[in-house]
Parts: sequence; structure tokens; C-alpha cells
Amino acid sequence: GQNIDQPTEMTATEGAIVQINCTYQTSGFNGLFWYQQHAGEAPTFLSYNVLDGLEEKGRFSSFLSRSKGYSYLLLKELQMKDSASYLCAVKDSNYQLIWGAGTKLIIKP
Amino acid sequence: IAGITQAPTSQILAAGRRMTLRCTQDMRHNAMYWYRQDLGLGLRLIHYSNTAGTTGKGEVPDGYSVSRANTDDFPLTLASAVPSQTSVYFCASSDEQGNTDTQYFGPGTRLTVL
Repeated sequence: GQNIDQPTEMTATEGAIVQINCTYQTSGFNGLFWYQQHAGEAPTFLSYNVLDGLEEKGRFSSFLSRSKGYSYLLLKELQMKDSASYLCAVKDSNYQLIWGAGTKLIIKP
Repeated sequence: IAGITQAPTSQILAAGRRMTLRCTQDMRHNAMYWYRQDLGLGLRLIHYSNTAGTTGKGEVPDGYSVSRANTDDFPLTLASAVPSQTSVYFCASSDEQGNTDTQYFGPGTRLTVL
């Protein structure tokens, strides 16, 4: 079966750095996506990785290791508005997105 | 403002009733999708359409049907609603069915079936 694993919930302090991990087992791999979802709202696109390595985009970075079936999302200089759920999704061999259950990130002042 | 709209925003429905959730996009995207999101679970694909006139089944298609008569609209129909279909439904679209296409989501419909 196909599986995406991420921690259910994480807590971090405003101004700090947090790393949200995602491991996956899927039938094929055609890229990994990270989305942000604020409570009661739609998911919004954050990042895309298809090759190994780190992709940096402002305060957010995403890393991929295809051999390990592993990715992480790194958030720097945390702000209160970063309190949200972060969804990891993998595009499988059929080009369909398989989604993790999401990691709820709580930011404390 | 370009994007995806969904209607209704929320709905309470009696079991056994028929319901159509509407989705419209104005980005001229070829591909469209319907997901359901339940607490503790990832988004699950119900149905998708790679282009107007074609549809396909996702992970959880039973009890749902879709049509894609044109590029912009992708309605989802529950023929006879059951309580297990209580969920938040998201419609999404993407520019092409390929590696790098990003899916853009509508605001969602919160459906409660009693």
C-alpha cells in the first residue's frame, strides 16, 4: 500500500526554527509537494521537490532524499501566522497525489 | 479575481437526499479534482478529470459521480447521501497532468449528512 507519514502535531516558539519530517512509501515517485493549510481554509502550495537536495524559498526550505523516501520542511524565523497544518503529498506513478494526514504546527509567543 | 469557487459553503443534508456540489474555475486549467478531508486522515481523491469530456475514479469514488461538460465546471453529485459522507469537500485544478503541475484549491464545502 501507499503511505505518507508525518507527525500529528508540533509546537515551536516564535522566532525559532522548526523542521517537519515526512516519510513516504509509494508506487512510483514523480515529485513531492508541501502545502500549508490554515484552520478552516483551503491548502495552499508551498514547495515542490523532484530531485534530491534542498530547495530554499524565503523563510521556508524543503529537502528531499529519494533513496530514503524522506523529506522535510524547514521553517525559519517563525511567526505567529505560521500556525497552521502542513501537508506532505507525493505524486505517484499514476500522477495522482497521495497525501499525508498533515502536521499541526502550534507557535507559542 | 482568478481562482476556484465552490458552492455551497456549507450544507446540512438529510440521509437519502441527492446533493450536487458545484465547482468552477476561471484559470483555464485542464485538470480538475475532487477531494474529501476528514479529521486525522489525508486528503483523499474522489474523482478527477484530466480534460473536458473525460473523468476518472480516485481512491474513494463510491457514492459519488462527476461530469465535465466544459473546462470551467466540475460538479460532484451524491446520489443518495449517507452519514459517512459527512466531510469537507475540496475542489482543485491544475494546469496539466504532469510532474510539476501544482494543484490550486477552492475554499471547500462543509457537508453534514444526518
